[in-house]
Amino acid sequence: AQRVTQPEKLLSVFKGAPVELKCNYSYSGSPELFWYVQYSRQRLQLLLRHISRESIKGFTADLNKGETSFHLKKPFAQEEDSAMYYCASLGGGGNKLTFGTGTQLKVEL
Amino acid sequence: DGGITQSPKYLFRKEGQNVTLSCEQNLNHDAMYWYRQDPGQGLRLIYYSQIVNDFQKGDIAEGYSVSREKKESFPLTVTSAQKNPTAFYLCASTEPFGGELFFGEGSRLTVL
Repeated sequence: AQRVTQPEKLLSVFKGAPVELKCNYSYSGSPELFWYVQYSRQRLQLLLRHISRESIKGFTADLNKGETSFHLKKPFAQEEDSAMYYCASLGGGGNKLTFGTGTQLKVEL
Repeated sequence: DGGITQSPKYLFRKEGQNVTLSCEQNLNHDAMYWYRQDPGQGLRLIYYSQIVNDFQKGDIAEGYSVSREKKESFPLTVTSAQKNPTAFYLCASTEPFGGELFFGEGSRLTVL
């Protein structure tokens, strides 16, 4: 079975500091990986997917197959980045997404 | 206004009662999903359906049932067999084969 691991439940950084939210996956094939975000009082929504190789709201994520990682990074954290972030993996057939346990990012002034 | 609508937002039920959560989408998506969100456990897949009149069990299907009689609707029934039903339930839909998941606002079920 696929597994997505987010080791940090809570990550607290100061405004302007770099951010790295960790994600590791277990799927041995070629997974599609995503980051979803849930801001306070809003729906869970897609932030970015590795296949598009975009930078969204200053965030980037690079797929590292050797380390089976898909860490989310941003060079300078903003207060509005405070949210719950979920890493997710699509693979293994069935068109179903497996989510990690999430990391709460808190950006302090 | 396109999107996914879940109802009710809040629901209380007594032990031993079944309850049905509604999920409707007007995005014309074929695939629909039900997830359960618990603190510290992330989102866990309950059931999913890739096409009308077909659905598959997810990772935690025990104590739940679904139907998919119409493309736009995917109701979830939490039965009395579910041992720990108090949770936040999220419905989502997507286009086939790995499209972006669109989520509803969720339904919070509390069993008294």
